[in-house]
Amino acid sequence: GESVGLHLPTLSVQEGDNSIINCAYSNSASDYFIWYKQESGKGPQFIIDIRSNMDKRQGQRVTVLLNKTVKHLSLQIAATQPGDSAVYFCAENAGGTSYGKLTFGQGTILTVHP
Amino acid sequence: NAGVMQNPRHLVRRRGQEARLRCSPMKGHSHVYWYRQLPEEGLKFMVYLQKENIIDESGMPKERFSAEFPKEGPSILRIQQVVRGDSAAYFCASSPGAQNSNQPQHFGDGTRLSIL
Repeated sequence: GESVGLHLPTLSVQEGDNSIINCAYSNSASDYFIWYKQESGKGPQFIIDIRSNMDKRQGQRVTVLLNKTVKHLSLQIAATQPGDSAVYFCAENAGGTSYGKLTFGQGTILTVHP
Repeated sequence: NAGVMQNPRHLVRRRGQEARLRCSPMKGHSHVYWYRQLPEEGLKFMVYLQKENIIDESGMPKERFSAEFPKEGPSILRIQQVVRGDSAAYFCASSPGAQNSNQPQHFGDGTRLSIL
């Protein structure tokens, strides 16, 4: 399954499928990006980050891809599990005088069906 | 390994009262950030503090809101004369980082503020 981010904020997949969550960012000066997972009633949980001098980074079952040309970020989750159901946010930081200020996207709701 | 601790988890206030939200950063973290989240929206940056200093308050409303991070004790977000529009979840995050060193921010579980 694939989400186009802001326009389709809900993604439903079957357990075991791979999930792709997309995010478009607007600030060409952004040089640091983070994906967070937020479960109901909890704070955002760090998943993975990437700096602008990279185009791909892998973690455990997750991969983040960065395309600076089109200002696009994606999160790939392999073998999605019911425990992955949550809202996923991308966040960007422009550095410089904006260091410390994260700008969050709208979020994508991921629902994983057993 | 305690994470970012926020209290109270839920706070109910009547219009005109004051709300004080507390945040203790992760051990070893000296940078604190406050964000506000409305239902079904992303987090919006409010303020970034280091010990005894406000670094960036560009997201703070001009009136009624203030934040501090004293030398000793937790960071405090204070809202005076609350109005219904202040109802939201307020999240605190912390990071260890030095200036211009990208470090992920780690979040607490927030304070849900409800204004009657």
